[in-house]
Amino acid sequence: GAVVSQHPSWVICKSGTSVKIECRSLDFQATTMFWYRQFPKQSLMLMATSNEGSKATYEQGVEKDKFLINHASLTLSTLTVTSAHPEDSSFYICSARAPSHYNEQFFGPGTRLTVL
Amino acid sequence: GDSVTQMEGPVTLSEEAFLTINCTYTATGYPSLFWYVQYPGEGLQLLLKATKADDKGSNKGFEATYRKETTSFHLEKGSVQVSDSAVYFCALDSGNTGKLIFGQGTTLQVKP
Repeated sequence: GAVVSQHPSWVICKSGTSVKIECRSLDFQATTMFWYRQFPKQSLMLMATSNEGSKATYEQGVEKDKFLINHASLTLSTLTVTSAHPEDSSFYICSARAPSHYNEQFFGPGTRLTVL
Repeated sequence: GDSVTQMEGPVTLSEEAFLTINCTYTATGYPSLFWYVQYPGEGLQLLLKATKADDKGSNKGFEATYRKETTSFHLEKGSVQVSDSAVYFCALDSGNTGKLIFGQGTTLQVKP
């Protein structure tokens, strides 16, 4: 099947530091990846759409200078939370669209970010 | 804008009970509808989907029918198992863009 991994699975950082989260499609090429944010007991909210080789498209209300997205290859997208603050603590989930699987989306297991 | 509303959980059932999780949506046009399941410690997995009105998606004993007249996509299973305990998310994609709009999720707990 199609597998998406995220690294790290959890991270704790100090306020003001930057954190990078990787999303990889392990056995397929993904021209499009998506980044979601999930608060406790709430739904997933789409943050941005990441297209390989072009700039990410951010949803309304998402600060693009704070959440930097890079999609450098067909199997890797990264989300960098810059100058993180406690309110950025959340569960970040990526997904990848697989053209080889009828454009179905496959989700990573998520990354738990805690900012102290 | 587009939105998805699910019944609030948690839902607690005994093994072999009948399951219904309600989902209604608001969307322009004709969205594709999905149910995703998230088992503890794992990522979301597609459970089933329907792309047009009156389509029925089914998988692993779960079913959901795309009802345009009631803008609903309720999830059902005739006999749940303990292994079905998970969080279930209803979602839509209104423009086949891959941009999913999710409901708030419903936690299902099945007791032996």
